[in-house]
Amino acid sequence: QQKVQQSPESLSVPEGGMASLNCTSSDRNFQYFWWYRQHSGEGPKALMSIFSDGDKKEGRFTAHLNKASLHVSLHIRDSQPSDSALYFCAVSSGTGGYKVVFGSGTRLLVSP
Amino acid sequence: DPKIIQKPKYLVAVTGSEKILICEQYLGHNAMYWYRQSAKKPLEFMFSYSYQKLMDNQTASSRFQPQSSKKNHLDLQITALKPDDSATYFCASSQDRQGYEQYFGPGTRLTVL
Repeated sequence: QQKVQQSPESLSVPEGGMASLNCTSSDRNFQYFWWYRQHSGEGPKALMSIFSDGDKKEGRFTAHLNKASLHVSLHIRDSQPSDSALYFCAVSSGTGGYKVVFGSGTRLLVSP
Repeated sequence: DPKIIQKPKYLVAVTGSEKILICEQYLGHNAMYWYRQSAKKPLEFMFSYSYQKLMDNQTASSRFQPQSSKKNHLDLQITALKPDDSATYFCASSQDRQGYEQYFGPGTRLTVL
């Protein structure tokens, strides 16, 4: 069964700092990697998706995908306290029927 | 205005009972999903529907039955409730099934005593 591994489990950065999150999939037939963010008491909200090798930037968020190693990272520059949340990596795949598999999440705390 | 409505927000049930979780989306999306989130499994895919048709079922138990009466509705019926079913259940939708961003509702927190 496809697995999505995220690291670290938790991360603490100062306001204005850079946060780096990692994700690795076991499914070579992936279609997209997604990053979702979930604030406490809310549903997850998509930040961005990536399917090509290299970087994709959206504002303060940059995702980097290495398809050969099935590894994606998310870098948040100039981190803000409002970025404190649970970050999920998700992988969409057509293997065994279309589904989206979420990792276990990285809890980010940005301290003022 | 909320685009995805889930009702109720909180639900307490006794073991062995049956409950229905309601989901309505007003995004004009063609695909809808159910996920479950608990301390044991952070976010677990359960079902996907496309144009009111069940497309994917990753739930082993037949106690969980999705019901789609309208294109923008996807309810989840849970029978013979067990304490292990305690979790937050999220409904989500996307424009179409594959490759599109999923929009999540606020969730229904179910506690089974």
